[in-house]
Amino acid sequence: DAKTTQPTSMDCAEGRAANLPCNHSTISGNEYVYWYRQIHSQGPQYIIHGLKNNETNEMASLIITEDRKSSTLILPHATLRDTAVYYCIVRVVYQGSQGNLIFGKGTKLSVKP
Amino acid sequence: GAVVSQHPSWVICKSGTSVKIECRSLDFQATTMFWYRQFPKQSLMLMATSNEGSKATYEQGVEKDKFLINHASLTLSTLTVTSAHPEDSSFYICSARPTRHSSYNSPLHFGNGTRLTVT
Repeated sequence: DAKTTQPTSMDCAEGRAANLPCNHSTISGNEYVYWYRQIHSQGPQYIIHGLKNNETNEMASLIITEDRKSSTLILPHATLRDTAVYYCIVRVVYQGSQGNLIFGKGTKLSVKP
Repeated sequence: GAVVSQHPSWVICKSGTSVKIECRSLDFQATTMFWYRQFPKQSLMLMATSNEGSKATYEQGVEKDKFLINHASLTLSTLTVTSAHPEDSSFYICSARPTRHSSYNSPLHFGNGTRLTVT
């Protein structure tokens, strides 16, 4: 799976949008971009994923550049409960693949009052 | 949404004993489940892939005789840490992928982890 690069940490003010970048310059055509987060002492929580189009759900928006070499996860109105480590993962998806996820170090997002 | 339940959430055991951790998919069937381990201030590391009805496949460096995995049904996988030692103390997390009949890009769903402390 393609390697991803994320900033080690970021701060965000409560109520503001949190924009978390991810570089995946070696991504290939059959790899999706997934975002998960892990709140302290819990299992990872799925947020969103996409292939090449921008995606939005009730939690966040995912913006993928046209060349697919980078993406941004947007939490539109961050709350204190959004404080977590956010993982950007690219994953090969095809019939017969095991589909496991390889986690990097992620970005520690701290939402401050 | 898809729920993965892990039990127990924490366990303390003495060195040399064995501990079993259960991972259940509550509202979907999972042909494949994954076991991860996370040490303090580190990221998740894949230990093994659990396949229903067949032997698990282990990542390099993970001892299959020490970390016994059983995936006897489409909703349950167990990880047994045998002859536990203090260095096995860690946060163990399972995840499950819906069966092949689901979309191949279906996200993995994770349990809430088991904190193992070996004294």
